[in-house]
Amino acid sequence: KAGVTQTPRYLIKTRGQQVTLSCSPISGHRSVSWYQQTPGQGLQFLFEYFSETQRNKGNFPGRFSGRQFSNSRSEMNVSTLELGDSALYLCASSHRTASTDTQYFGPGTRLTVL
Amino acid sequence: EDQVTQSPEALRLQEGESSSLNCSYTVSGLRGLFWYRQDPGKGPEFLFTLYSAGEEKEKERLKATLTKKESFLHITAPKPEDSATYLCAVQAADSSYKLIFGSGTRLLVRP
Repeated sequence: KAGVTQTPRYLIKTRGQQVTLSCSPISGHRSVSWYQQTPGQGLQFLFEYFSETQRNKGNFPGRFSGRQFSNSRSEMNVSTLELGDSALYLCASSHRTASTDTQYFGPGTRLTVL
Repeated sequence: EDQVTQSPEALRLQEGESSSLNCSYTVSGLRGLFWYRQDPGKGPEFLFTLYSAGEEKEKERLKATLTKKESFLHITAPKPEDSATYLCAVQAADSSYKLIFGSGTRLLVRP
C-alpha cells in the first residue's frame, strides 16, 4: 500500500501571504489529522477530519483551517502568514476502529515564511 | 492536563551498547501509547502501539513496554542506523483522537 503523501514538500512564502497544503491518506483510511512541528514546541495537534467533518481542533488561531474531501484527501490553509508559522506541517491518516487509531504520518511540508 | 515527558533528551551509545528510553505520561484515561522514530527532515515512522499496562511489543532490536505511568523503549545491541529521534505520544480515551507528543529523545549510535 502506498503511504501518506503530502504536496508540496517545500514552500517559501512571505509574511501576509496565504498557503494551501495537500494530503492524500493511505487508501481506505478515512481519518486525517494535521500537526505542526517546530524546534521550540515540538509536535502539536492542529485539527482532525473524519468523513469530511472536522471532529477536533487544537489551540491554533483561526488563520489555520482545513477541509476534507469525499475521497478522504485533505487540505489545510494558513492565511495571513506570520514568521512564526515557519514549521514542518505533518499529515497523518488512520483506519479508525472502536478501540484502535494508529496514525501514520506523511513526509511533511516544510514551510518557510520570510 | 494530559502531558508526556521523555528522557533523556539526548543519548549517545557505542554500537552494541544496550539502553532504554523513558516516556512518562499523565492522561485522563489512556486509549493508546505510541512510539515513533523520526529521521531528520522526514515524517515520524510508526513503531509500536501499546494499549494496557503490562503489554510488551518487539521489533528487531527494539522492545516497548508499558506501565500505568510510563513506557520504556529498550534498544538491544544498537547499530548506527538506529540513530534517530524517538518520539512517544499518548491518545486519551475521550472524543478526541489527537496525539499528545513528548519532546523526543535524540539517539546517536557511534560505530
